[in-house]
Amino acid sequence: QVQLQESGPGLVKPSETLSLTCSVSGGSISSYYWTWFRRPPGKGLEYIGYIYNSVSTNYSPSLRSRVTISEDTSKNQFSLRLMSVTAADTAVYYCARAGYYSSGAFDVWGQGTMVTVSS
Amino acid sequence: QSVLTQPPSASGTPGQRVTISCSGSSSNIGSNPVNWYQQLPGTAPKLLIFSNNQRPSGVPDRFSGSRSGASASLAISGLQSEDEAGYYCGTWDDSLNGFYVFGTGTKVTVL
Repeated sequence: QVQLQESGPGLVKPSETLSLTCSVSGGSISSYYWTWFRRPPGKGLEYIGYIYNSVSTNYSPSLRSRVTISEDTSKNQFSLRLMSVTAADTAVYYCARAGYYSSGAFDVWGQGTMVTVSS
Repeated sequence: QSVLTQPPSASGTPGQRVTISCSGSSSNIGSNPVNWYQQLPGTAPKLLIFSNNQRPSGVPDRFSGSRSGASASLAISGLQSEDEAGYYCGTWDDSLNGFYVFGTGTKVTVL
């Protein structure tokens, strides 16, 4: 059974870069869409982007200029970098998997990690 | 950023049927299958329905989904106390090189 676990700093200063890693266990990272989402306090779920087969990426139009998602197949991990953060980037960040179902549904999720942007 | 519209809340007594709507446009629900997610407080979202009306293994058949045109709906029949949660529809949007969009979310309360 595939499991995902997010890790990274829980506090990031404004204007700095937020970096998170998602570790994949119980299965290979190959051939799925590995995705990042977030949920700001009091708000709904927001798509950040995905990586597929290590090189193909897709990002939310609203975050595209600040986001990079990468994959490390040797470690069975993928990562999120979000530059120039502000308080508006404070959220619970989730990693998830799509590609098992043809509809692009996200069937496996990490537990989420809270990231606060504050000086 | 939510481009899919859901009612903010819905409620029912145990055993009742509750329906949640999800309204989109031709570039998202009108073109792509809809998925539904359940999020209990403090936990990660859980896939409830995929491809408009399919249930993953382990999801009770009390949950059902449908899609018509640019709208979709989720029905919970035989409402139970453990169904009290947030529910989100989601699908891919074909505009702007494609991206995933969620609904605004519906909080279901079991009275």
